[in-house]
Amino acid sequence: AQTVTQSQPEMSVQEAETVTLSCTYDTSESDYYLFWYKQPPSRQMILVIRQEAYKQQNATENRFSVNFQKAAKSFSLKISDSQLGDAAMYFCAGGRNGGSQGNLIFGKGTKLSVKP
Amino acid sequence: SQTIHQWPATLVQPVGSPLSLECTVEGTSNPNLYWYRQAAGRGLQLLFYSVGIGQISSEVPQNLSASRPQDRQFILSSKKLLLSDSGFYLCAWSTTRTDTQYFGPGTRLTVL
Repeated sequence: AQTVTQSQPEMSVQEAETVTLSCTYDTSESDYYLFWYKQPPSRQMILVIRQEAYKQQNATENRFSVNFQKAAKSFSLKISDSQLGDAAMYFCAGGRNGGSQGNLIFGKGTKLSVKP
Repeated sequence: SQTIHQWPATLVQPVGSPLSLECTVEGTSNPNLYWYRQAAGRGLQLLFYSVGIGQISSEVPQNLSASRPQDRQFILSSKKLLLSDSGFYLCAWSTTRTDTQYFGPGTRLTVL
């Protein structure tokens, strides 16, 4: 069974500063993907970044980057130069490779506030 | 480009009434389709997924059912709503080649 744990229910960051959101996962699969999704007040889930477990290089998307520590089963999200629009719920999720099964397991989320 | 639509955006229904939520995807063929429910302040729970027309897998036994009458259409239904069916319902799609799921705007359902 797969589990995804986000231990920070809420986080706060000053505008233009950097914040790191934590996520740990546990899986018996050898081939899997990890994701961070953002859910703003509109509640639509927006893909932020995706990491393939077999890749050692950490994924980066503009101001968003991950620190993927496979041995420690850790997958944290770093947001640089935080903007007011980054305020949202952030969900970490994991899924087994092999699209036909397609079950993503989500953490309970971290609410990020950005202070001007 | 691909887009995903859900309607209605908001729905208020009495206990015991039927339900039909619709999800459609444009710009792709033979997508995998998913229905999730998000209770207030919680993460997402997968309810159903489909890898093709008429192929539905249920993840959680409940008062709901799903159907896929067309390749890019996914419907969530109930014959009699319960108070516990209230929540935010999200539809998502992915290709068969990757696990990345893309979500629709969601439907907020309140059962009174």
